[in-house]
Amino acid sequence: EAGVTQSPTHLIKTRGQQATLRCSPISGHTSVYWYQQALGLGLQFLLWYDEGEERNRGNFPPRFSGRQFPNYSSELNVNALELEDSALYLCASSLGGSLWDEQFFGPGTRLTVL
Amino acid sequence: SQQGEEDPQALSIQEGENATMNCSYKTSINNLQWYRQNSGRGLVHLILIRSNEREKHSGRLRVTLDTSKKSSSLLITASRAADTASYFCATPNTGNQFYFGTGTSLTVIP
Repeated sequence: EAGVTQSPTHLIKTRGQQATLRCSPISGHTSVYWYQQALGLGLQFLLWYDEGEERNRGNFPPRFSGRQFPNYSSELNVNALELEDSALYLCASSLGGSLWDEQFFGPGTRLTVL
Repeated sequence: SQQGEEDPQALSIQEGENATMNCSYKTSINNLQWYRQNSGRGLVHLILIRSNEREKHSGRLRVTLDTSKKSSSLLITASRAADTASYFCATPNTGNQFYFGTGTSLTVIP
């Protein structure tokens, strides 16, 4: 069974640009989560999608947005990039519906903002 | 502040020794999960302990949960160099957000 996949692996952007990160969940999983892990910090909860809808978001500005498609894959968009957005962005999926479910993580996308 | 916080922040031990990491949380939980992250990569789920469980084993891993103290511990017995990684506890909070702590960085010296 294929795991959670993320693309691209690395992304280098300049300040002010927009970045789009993609995630494909495990087949059968309906929930997708996004996390930001900046250097030296823990994982910060960004977004939770389930069945195509945003269920909750963490304490991030509106320039962090995303969506979940009918096939349950998801996209994270970061507009007006700032230097401090440089981080590893992790996507996870679960069977869905509950935050108590085990989450399966992808390898991450490392975003560097110059 | 974070729902889950690990202690210590870093731990360095010799191969063969046991490693113990602790986690504290703030709100009521249904379960608590431990994850492992190898350097700069995705997380791997290690073990889930439910609120009505006090102890759980999985191979060389032993997790305890004390809901009265709102704390959990992860014990890795007979550590190996391959156990070198960061370990996180995680649990949802009442605001429907999923929180990880900053993690314990474990180094096992061969």
